[in-house]
Amino acid sequence: DAGITQSPRHKVTETGTPVTLRCHQTENHRYMYWYRQDPGHGLRLIHYSYGVKDTDKGEVSDGYSVSRSKTEDFLLTLESATSSQTSVYFCAISESLDRVSGYTFGSGTRLTVV
Amino acid sequence: DQQVKQNSPSLSVQEGRISILNCDYTNSMFDYFLWYKKYPAEGPTFLISISSIKDKNEDGRFTVFLNKSAKHLSLHIVPSQPGDSAVYFCAASGMNTGNQFYFGTGTSLTVIP
Repeated sequence: DAGITQSPRHKVTETGTPVTLRCHQTENHRYMYWYRQDPGHGLRLIHYSYGVKDTDKGEVSDGYSVSRSKTEDFLLTLESATSSQTSVYFCAISESLDRVSGYTFGSGTRLTVV
Repeated sequence: DQQVKQNSPSLSVQEGRISILNCDYTNSMFDYFLWYKKYPAEGPTFLISISSIKDKNEDGRFTVFLNKSAKHLSLHIVPSQPGDSAVYFCAASGMNTGNQFYFGTGTSLTVIP
């Protein structure tokens, strides 16, 4: 198994509070991604990173920010959580932009905003 | 606007028979297509891929077929096994989507022993 760990695995938070989710990898892969999974939508890309301090927006980036200060860590922050951000969040990594090989996903973080 | 669609939310198949999972897409610029398998409480796992220069790719019991003119791909699992019971996602990307894959909504496959 590729070394990719997401924390926390579950979190319940109140509307309006900031929340940070962490993705940690031990594979030294250059590319890291944050997705959210919602019923009726599949997985949607929030943000991705192509190196330390290099990040870009995905399909559903509003309300989210990311940071990558080290190769191994990619943080996703909800500045002020809303109920619409209740979701399962997946981190993924890839060694290159070779689109044939796919990504390796973490086990996910289930976030509930009440 | 969903660019990748899986119109069957669920599918049940008898063990040993063929499972066929379908996926349609709207973006004619998509040129790479992947299938992922997901068990409950786990992340998706890469299963098989195909590029648009091919119309078929096979890996053991899994075969993916691509029909570019119909903008349709399918995953065939033969023979189906109970351990194949999972949610299957198709995903697509193209030169005009940068590094972004678009995922379908998933099909839940149940293989009945």
